[in-house]
Amino acid sequence: NAGVTQTPKFRILKIGQSMTLQCTQDMNHNYMYWYRQDPGMGLKLIYYSVGAGITDKGEVPNGYNVSRSTTEDFPLRLELAAPSQTSVYFCASSYSSNEQFFGPGTRLTVL
Amino acid sequence: AQKVTQAQTEISVVEKEDVTLDCVYETRDTTYYLFWYKQPPSGELVFLIRRNSFDEQNEISGRYSWNFQKSTSSFNFTITASQVVDSAVYFCALSEAPGYNNNDMRFGAGTRLTVKP
Repeated sequence: NAGVTQTPKFRILKIGQSMTLQCTQDMNHNYMYWYRQDPGMGLKLIYYSVGAGITDKGEVPNGYNVSRSTTEDFPLRLELAAPSQTSVYFCASSYSSNEQFFGPGTRLTVL
Repeated sequence: AQKVTQAQTEISVVEKEDVTLDCVYETRDTTYYLFWYKQPPSGELVFLIRRNSFDEQNEISGRYSWNFQKSTSSFNFTITASQVVDSAVYFCALSEAPGYNNNDMRFGAGTRLTVKP
């Protein structure tokens, strides 16, 4: 099993550009999550999904959108990138309320 | 809303010392889960332990042990005989009332542990 994979690993965006961060898991987990981690800080939940077709906002959803058309994939969309969105983004998955398995992260810089 | 506080921002110890990382949480739910994760310098997040609110038994796993006390809303983590490889940022996290359409997880700000040789 590859676990949770994220692409790209690094990305630099200009203000106002859009992009999609990809996340895929092959563990057949029903729950998936997107977090951001600012320098020296803990993780903050952006969006999560409890199954295909179901998504919900976390603590810091503004400026982001998600979709969950399949169990495996949970892409995160940034429509109008802003410098405040410079962060490391982690995707995670879990089976119900069990421990979350994290991807390696995507380091995003918005200039 | 739930909240996790890790008051220790940074801790530095010398190898073989014991060290305790504090975690205090707030929740209005009676059913919840507590977690500890490790983030080594390489950046990935590694799961260490999960504890549900109905299980107050302390747990030991090798050099790691966890002390869960509902009376003080604390879930502290102790590393015995620390090693350089234990150097990392450690996060405590809380998940309230897990279930359908409600699986919000909150992380503390983390404690950076440095173990010097």
